Amino acid sequence: DIQMTQSPSSLSASVGDSVTITCRASQTISGYVNWYQLKPGKAPKLLIYAASRLQSGVPSRFSGSGSGTHFTLTISSLQPEDFATYFCQQSYSTLYTFGQGTNLEIK
Amino acid sequence: QVQLQQSGPGLVKPSETLSLTCTVSGGSINTDIYYWNWIRQPPGKGLEWIGTVYYSGSTHYNPSLKSRLTMYIDRSKSQFSLRLSSVTAADTAVYYCARQYAGTGALNWFDPWGQGTLVTVSS
Repeated sequence: DIQMTQSPSSLSASVGDSVTITCRASQTISGYVNWYQLKPGKAPKLLIYAASRLQSGVPSRFSGSGSGTHFTLTISSLQPEDFATYFCQQSYSTLYTFGQGTNLEIK
Repeated sequence: QVQLQQSGPGLVKPSETLSLTCTVSGGSINTDIYYWNWIRQPPGKGLEWIGTVYYSGSTHYNPSLKSRLTMYIDRSKSQFSLRLSSVTAADTAVYYCARQYAGTGALNWFDPWGQGTLVTVSS
């Protein structure tokens, strides 16, 4: 299995801040990483696919980068609706695996 | 816009079978452009991919669950379903259905998702 190690596991920030979440893969996976946002009681939402491509309808303050084993999700100018849990996921292997999640909280 | 609506019981007894159904609306389930998946999140833990069913009816399962898992598709009803047998407390989780875009090679992703169903395994 490809392990996706996500950090930090939790993060406190204020509205207007910029934050970065990191995912490291246990082997090289080219650019095959997707990022999702989860909120309690809501359907998870795709934010970024193929490491850096912004899903249609997702605000441009979300961005992704990386290749190989190191990937990042950056949210610039945090908005109140951005406080949620974020997960990375690799699609390189058909045994799809996710990071452990980052809980983004309001400071 | 495609929507996935989940249905099924929220409480299952240990050793019994967990059954969930996902109904697809606003788009066709009868296509090889998309695959149909189940994913779960145990309380306080990360997401775990459970398995995929294709429009043809063939399947691809997580090896850790394969011996207990059955997934199938009913194209006439635009539904796909999950059955997980011999459940234990470790199977307590929020279960999600999700469509997967079947891009070139490894270029694929889960979107959209269902709203999630909390399934608790308890007597």
